[in-house]
Amino acid sequence: EDQVTQSPEALRLQEGESSSLNCSYTVSGLRGLFWYRQDPGKGPEFLFTLYSAGEEKEKERLKATLTKKESFLHITAPKPEDSATYLCAARGSGYSTLTFGKGTMLLVSP
Amino acid sequence: DSGVTQTPKHLITATGQRVTLRCSPRSGDLSVYWYQQSLDQGLQFLIQYYNGEERAKGNILERFSAQQFPDLHSELNLSSLELGDSALYFCASSVARAGGPGNTGELFFGEGSRLTVL
Repeated sequence: EDQVTQSPEALRLQEGESSSLNCSYTVSGLRGLFWYRQDPGKGPEFLFTLYSAGEEKEKERLKATLTKKESFLHITAPKPEDSATYLCAARGSGYSTLTFGKGTMLLVSP
Repeated sequence: DSGVTQTPKHLITATGQRVTLRCSPRSGDLSVYWYQQSLDQGLQFLIQYYNGEERAKGNILERFSAQQFPDLHSELNLSSLELGDSALYFCASSVARAGGPGNTGELFFGEGSRLTVL
């Protein structure tokens, strides 16, 4: 069974204080590692897809990286508007949908 | 705006009742997915349809059923509702089934339907 575990559950940062969120996955035949952002009461918003170990993708202050067992979402010099829950999901070879982690709730204080 | 439309946004009903949630996928997307999100469980996959046919089933209760119509919209039917069914229900769509041409794999989510069972 595919499993995705995110840590920490919650993270509080000061504006400008860089950090990383972790996503560990156990998936048979990874066919994509996905990052989403979710604001309270809203649907998840797609951020990145990573397909192979060593791949990196960037968007504004966010950079996602992938190893054979983990993915990291690095947040550089965050701003209060980056506050949200960040979800990681994986797709394995035997399944057409995504398995999600429980998310990391990020709060950035001014 | 993801392009996925869900109705209703909020729904309050009583135990034992039945409700129907509706989803219109993004234009051109053939796959529709339903997920349930509760505080303690996170996003749980319920069921997927591709071009009108059921493709994959997750943790969907027997009291729940879904279908995808010829115009590709989908409905999730929840019956004999219990207090524990209170949750956010999300619909997502993607361009094709996994691995198919033009499919980079990501799902696009609607804003959700918040169900409260009293």
